[in-house]
Amino acid sequence: DAGVTQSPTHLIKTRGQQVTLRCSPKSGHDTVSWYQQALGQGPQFIFQYYEEEERQRGNFPDRFSGHQFPNYSSELNVNALLLGDSALYLCASSSLDLAGGFTDTQYFGPGTRLTVL
Amino acid sequence: KNEVEQSPQNLTAQEGEFITINCSYSVGISALHWLQQHPGGGIVSLFMLSSGKKKHGRLIATINIQEKHSSLHITASHPRDSAVYICAAGAGGGADGLTFGKGTHLIIQP
Repeated sequence: DAGVTQSPTHLIKTRGQQVTLRCSPKSGHDTVSWYQQALGQGPQFIFQYYEEEERQRGNFPDRFSGHQFPNYSSELNVNALLLGDSALYLCASSSLDLAGGFTDTQYFGPGTRLTVL
Repeated sequence: KNEVEQSPQNLTAQEGEFITINCSYSVGISALHWLQQHPGGGIVSLFMLSSGKKKHGRLIATINIQEKHSSLHITASHPRDSAVYICAAGAGGGADGLTFGKGTHLIIQP
């Protein structure tokens, strides 16, 4: 089992550009959450996808959008990049029971380090 | 909004010492996670707990729901335990996005 995978590993963009990050969840997981971790800080929740829909969203602007595919993989898109978007972007997967919550711990991918120049 | 506070922020100890990292949160939760992050960013989930105590090898996690407090203990610490330890709280039914503490940077010296 490959666990949670993310691509690319590193990415350099310039201000104003758009970026797409990708995440494949652990086998058997149906829920993907995205987090942004600035240098020296704890991760901040961006949004969570379940059944191809955005189920919950943190305090991030609409420039941050996402998608989940039928195979449960997910993309994070960021438009009109700002210098402050430079961070490590983490994806975490789990399985969800809407009645009882997560049925498994969250497994994190290795992250994508985005640098905006 | 849930606030998650960790202490200490930095901890340096000698190999073999018993380590305790504390985590407090401000609102009721349904699950608390302890995570380990090594240089380079990879995060490993150590524990997810909603009550009582869990043990895995030399790691022990406890939670007191009434006091909104959790602790992570490392027995017989080893230099390979050096990492950032993060607690994260999940509220609202247990399936919400996590709120993370800022982490505790642990260094175990030989």
